[in-house]
Amino acid sequence: NAGVTQTPKFQVLKTGQSMTLQCAQDMNHNSMYWYRQDPGMGLRLIYYSASEGTTDKGEVPNGYNVSRLNKREFSLRLESAAPSQTSVYFCASSDRDRVSNIQYFGAGTRLSVL
Amino acid sequence: RKEVEQDPGPFNVPEGATVAFNCTYSNSASQSFFWYRQDCRKEPKLLMSVYSSGNEDGRFTAQLNRASQYISLLIRDSKLSDSATYLCVVKEYSSASKIIFGSGTRLSIRP
Repeated sequence: NAGVTQTPKFQVLKTGQSMTLQCAQDMNHNSMYWYRQDPGMGLRLIYYSASEGTTDKGEVPNGYNVSRLNKREFSLRLESAAPSQTSVYFCASSDRDRVSNIQYFGAGTRLSVL
Repeated sequence: RKEVEQDPGPFNVPEGATVAFNCTYSNSASQSFFWYRQDCRKEPKLLMSVYSSGNEDGRFTAQLNRASQYISLLIRDSKLSDSATYLCVVKEYSSASKIIFGSGTRLSIRP
């Protein structure tokens, strides 16, 4: 019953460093998402992928890139980390059903950029 | 105006009490509505979908008022384990990406 698995769980970076957050799901879902959650602001969509081979920008894509490696995996890359990217990052997946679109989340990655 | 607005709380109520909170949304094209629960330092998890006719799941009742553009969540006979943040989620039918999360209402149940 793995569901959505994110790695790493915690990360501390220095300004300017790069890193990739990994996400994998085993529910055969078509759609995958990356969100960030900051205090008092709710979850904000960074990028999403409606299906294997496609990616689109969400509400806050600047400073991030994504790769939908295959149906299972969707990675988020920070090329040059900034303190403003300190946040909790959640990956999620859902079926393509446009009406229900229930999302299943990973446990999150807590990122601090110093 | 935020697309989805919630009272951040915290709502602090005694065990056994009934508590209700609302969520308002600004886009009348919104089609799907959900309540998610998020425990401290954990990921959000679906609590219940909200149907046009209203729906109930045990002690939880969700309602939708399209005319006034809000959804509500009622928790009866609250338990200590209900302490969490409740996120209102609104989705537009036509877009896989247009899913808006409210910033959440914090609920604390005291013994």
